[in-house]
Amino acid sequence: GAVVSQHPSRVICKSGTSVKIECRSLDFQATTMFWYRQFPKKSLMLMATSNEGSKATYEQGVEKDKFLINHASLTLSTLTVTSAHPEDSSFYICSARQEDYNEQFFGPGTRLTVL
Amino acid sequence: GESVGLHLPTLSVQEGDNSIINCAYSNSASDYFIWYKQESGKGPQFIIDIRSNMDKRQGQRVTVLLNKTVKHLSLQIAATQPGDSAVYFCAEKGYTGRRALTFGSGTRLQVQP
Repeated sequence: GAVVSQHPSRVICKSGTSVKIECRSLDFQATTMFWYRQFPKKSLMLMATSNEGSKATYEQGVEKDKFLINHASLTLSTLTVTSAHPEDSSFYICSARQEDYNEQFFGPGTRLTVL
Repeated sequence: GESVGLHLPTLSVQEGDNSIINCAYSNSASDYFIWYKQESGKGPQFIIDIRSNMDKRQGQRVTVLLNKTVKHLSLQIAATQPGDSAVYFCAEKGYTGRRALTFGSGTRLQVQP
């Protein structure tokens, strides 16, 4: 099956710093990538949808200036949490989808802890 | 608005028994449904999917049933094993052209040896 990787898998940072998370589709071209966040014992909440070469579409309530998303190529999307605060601590998961296919393939997630 | 929900937050079964996890959805225009398994600290893993023009689909040890009349989806796991212990999410995609999935709240399956 298709493989999606995320890096880093775990990151701890100080409040006020920025953190970049990478999402890569390893064996297919992902025309669309999605970013989710998940709090403990909760479901996945969609943050934004990114299409290669265009601006991301953010869900209501998600600050686009705080969560910067770049989808520069068909195999890479990045999420940058700017000026992170403790309330941004969460599990961030990306998924990738090929054109004309419904199925999404999920990355292993990134655990962000902001001190 | 759209919502996907689950009836039971936790399901405990004995090893070897069959498990049934249920999910209700509210968007009658949803055309594609997926079940995911998520182990602690990991991303969701695809289990099985079904389109709205079907009412049943079988995989290896898993079966998904779709009842569009009552907007209900279920996942059946045969001969449940300890390795099946995880949180299971149903997700749906609607006709609106929205490519993203809407996830249900999840059910934790605990398999007792």
